[in-house]
Amino acid sequence: DAKTTQPPSMDCAEGRAANLPCNHSTISGNEYVYWYRQIHSQGPQYIIHGLKNNETNEMASLIITEDRKSSTLILPHATLRDTAVYYCIVRQTGANSKLTFGKGITLSVRP
Amino acid sequence: NAGVTQTPKFQVLKTGQSMTLQCAQDMNHEYMSWYRQDPGMGLRLIHYSVGAGITDQGEVPNGYNVSRSTTEDFPLRLLSAAPSQTSVYFCASRDQGGKQPQHFGDGTRLSIL
Repeated sequence: DAKTTQPPSMDCAEGRAANLPCNHSTISGNEYVYWYRQIHSQGPQYIIHGLKNNETNEMASLIITEDRKSSTLILPHATLRDTAVYYCIVRQTGANSKLTFGKGITLSVRP
Repeated sequence: NAGVTQTPKFQVLKTGQSMTLQCAQDMNHEYMSWYRQDPGMGLRLIHYSVGAGITDQGEVPNGYNVSRSTTEDFPLRLLSAAPSQTSVYFCASRDQGGKQPQHFGDGTRLSIL
């Protein structure tokens, strides 16, 4: 699976959009981009995933560049409860495919 | 649905003791896996299973055994606990469909003295 690169941390103001970047320059054609988050020491929580088209669900939007070498997770109206570590992961879609976690990006939402 | 249930939530062991961390899911997922997370680190894969009777090693399998006799359960065994195994352990499951997301349990916090 391709590796991802994320900045170690960022912050944003409550109520504003949080844009979390991720680089995955070695991604291959059959690999999806997944985003998970981990709040405090809870189990990781799935947020969203995509292949090449932009995706949106009730939690967030995922914007993938046309060359698929980078993506951005957008939390449209960040709240204090969105403070967490966010992991960007690239994964193949075979039955045996595994999630490989990096260190993620720590998002701090300030009041 | 309860999702992925891990027991116990906390455990303290002495070096050399054995124990089993339990993981159960009620979503009829074929794929299950165990991760450990050390302070300031991401999750690392220990073992995984693609179905009952089938298991395989992940990134850090040494010191751990698994078995999968049913679809629902995927226990993780520490045969002789070592201080280096002090960690938070997470179990996860997903549908076998290739792009399905994983669902994680709340973790077991294990300390080995």
